[in-house]
Amino acid sequence: EVQLVESGGGLVQPGRSLRLSCTASGFTFGDYAMSWVRQAPGKGLEWVGFIRSKAYGGTTEYAASVKGRFTISRDDSKSIAYLQMNSLKTEDTAVYYCTRDLRGAGTPEDYYYYYMDVWGKGTTVTVSS
Amino acid sequence: SYVLTQPPSVSVAPGQTARITCGGNNIGSKSVHWYQQKPGQAPVLVVYDDSDRPSGIPERFSGSNSGNTATLTISRVEAGDEADYYCQVWDSSSDHFYVFGTGTKVTVL
Repeated sequence: EVQLVESGGGLVQPGRSLRLSCTASGFTFGDYAMSWVRQAPGKGLEWVGFIRSKAYGGTTEYAASVKGRFTISRDDSKSIAYLQMNSLKTEDTAVYYCTRDLRGAGTPEDYYYYYMDVWGKGTTVTVSS
Repeated sequence: SYVLTQPPSVSVAPGQTARITCGGNNIGSKSVHWYQQKPGQAPVLVVYDDSDRPSGIPERFSGSNSGNTATLTISRVEAGDEADYYCQVWDSSSDHFYVFGTGTKVTVL
């Protein structure tokens, strides 16, 4: 069974750091891009960032709201993706989901896109003094 | 940045058809994906590539995309379809590569 399990959430003070982990099972982790998506209480979904598979360079992209503060990495040998969150703000309070991402292609020839086909159950991060 | 607009809510009686729109500039040129999120649960992919269904998703869920509007259609609505629904596109020209719609709450009367 394909599964993603997030861990590492909790209560943290503003300005501090936290690292989330996403442990994958049931598929070849290294073949897929992975994303982090968050949802503040009572709000919609917000993409945080993602990391491409090594086949596509293993590079990362981030939302403007977290760029420079959050870092995504991956350990394909352990099937784990990480979200390192530094300089946390109260507005980072949310449920954080890990996702497996699929790459699609269309026309024109160089057009590609990603979407999320598997989601973890999420881990809650609360930033408060 | 690219913006996707959805109606905040849609109400539908059991057995009827619910249509959820997702508006975006020339969205018909992009691939649109839809997620269902029930209360207290993680989102689930219900439609990808405008109109394809993942394994295990009922045929009652279908999608279309043209011009400036993509639509998720739920036929023969059941009580278990009550949830929030989000559309999503990929837009590498903006700083928000993954763009989610504002979300629509579907209420089954």
